[in-house]
Amino acid sequence: EVQLVESGGGLVQPGRSLRLSCAASGFTFDDYAMHWVRQAPGKGLEWVSGISWNSGSIGYADSVKGRFTISRDNAKNSLYLQMNSLRAEDTALYYCAKDIWPSIAVAVAPDYWGQGTLVTVSS
Amino acid sequence: SYELTQPPSVSVSPGQTARITCSGDALPKKYAYWYQQKSGQAPVLVIYEDSKRPSGIPERFSGSSSGTMATLTISGAQVEDEADYYCYSTDSSGNPWVFGGGTKLTVL
Repeated sequence: EVQLVESGGGLVQPGRSLRLSCAASGFTFDDYAMHWVRQAPGKGLEWVSGISWNSGSIGYADSVKGRFTISRDNAKNSLYLQMNSLRAEDTALYYCAKDIWPSIAVAVAPDYWGQGTLVTVSS
Repeated sequence: SYELTQPPSVSVSPGQTARITCSGDALPKKYAYWYQQKSGQAPVLVIYEDSKRPSGIPERFSGSSSGTMATLTISGAQVEDEADYYCYSTDSSGNPWVFGGGTKLTVL
């Protein structure tokens, strides 16, 4: 059974940093691209970032480019999101998600999702 | 930046067919994916590559795409299908992926 467990969320002041983690199990982690998707309270889904299985291809939404960095450690079955220069508009539930296809060069689409970790940016 | 446009809401009676549309300029050449999100839960993939159904998704869910519009169809909608539905796609390889704004499906 695929399991994705996010952690690292919390309350942070504007301008500060936060690092999210996602622990994956139940599938061969280093075979799959991974995604971060967020959802502001009461709002829709927003794709944040994706990373290929070997970290060779990485993409970001325009809204976070230059501030957020996605990474993965295949030896630890873990995905990360380093978030710098946080803004109030980054307040959201952040989901980690596994890609639908194995062994492809780019992240395509999420299929399995975690339950999310809440990030609140406020002074 | 690329946008996918969905109607904010669709309402049907139980047993009727619900159709949710997603409009995007690049849909003639890029696949659409559809997600269902029930209240307080993580999203679930219900359609991938325009019309394919993941295992475990009921047959009443189907997808199609023609021109700049993709459509999610729920044939014989049930009360438990009440949820927000999001389409997902991109306009070009290497560009960010985007979700549509979401459609709230009411079945009552």
